Amino acid sequence: GEQVEQLPSSLIVQEGASVLINCSYTDSASVYFPWYKQEPGKRLQFIIDIRSNMERKQTQRLTLLFDKKTKHLSLHITATQPGDSAIYFCSASPSSNMGYKLTFGTGTSLLVDP
Amino acid sequence: EAAVTQSPRSKVAVTGGKVTLSCHQTNNHDYMYWYRQDTGHGLRLIHYSYVADSTEKGDIPDGYKASRPSQENFSLILELASLSQTAVYFCASRPGHANTEVFFGKGTRLTVV
Repeated sequence: GEQVEQLPSSLIVQEGASVLINCSYTDSASVYFPWYKQEPGKRLQFIIDIRSNMERKQTQRLTLLFDKKTKHLSLHITATQPGDSAIYFCSASPSSNMGYKLTFGTGTSLLVDP
Repeated sequence: EAAVTQSPRSKVAVTGGKVTLSCHQTNNHDYMYWYRQDTGHGLRLIHYSYVADSTEKGDIPDGYKASRPSQENFSLILELASLSQTAVYFCASRPGHANTEVFFGKGTRLTVV
């Protein structure tokens, strides 16, 4: 089955810095890649997604890059704020699967120091 | 915003006891999912359902059963709870077409003692 890996597992940055979170997957059938943010004690919150027919997607301070050939994604967060402190999850889903199941990475814990 | 409500929010269960975790969605979504989250792991899929009265096994179904009596409700059942099932459990729902956002509940923290 699909396997999703994320690196790094944790990050500590100063407010205002940029961060890069890397994600790789194994199943070429995966076509949809949503990312989620989990603040302490809260539900997972969708933040951005990309489909396999795209190479780049940007929303506000988030830029998501996708390389189908290398099966690699990277999430770039600019001008970080303390409110960005959370665990970030990459996930992958094949559209051909009836369940449209999401396979999650192990998460990247981001701490932004004010 | 789409609403997924889990109950209870936390529970302490005795080893060998039966535990039922409930999930209710008001989104009119076809798909519902149960995930567990453990420290050092991402979310792992236990069971899912795409229609009422039908459930499917996910990636780690052993030791769990699921029930979808209606479109709105999806339960996770631990017939004989074990220590290894201590985790945070998340329910989620999504519409019935591909490449759409999944909406999560707030989670249930289950401790088996």
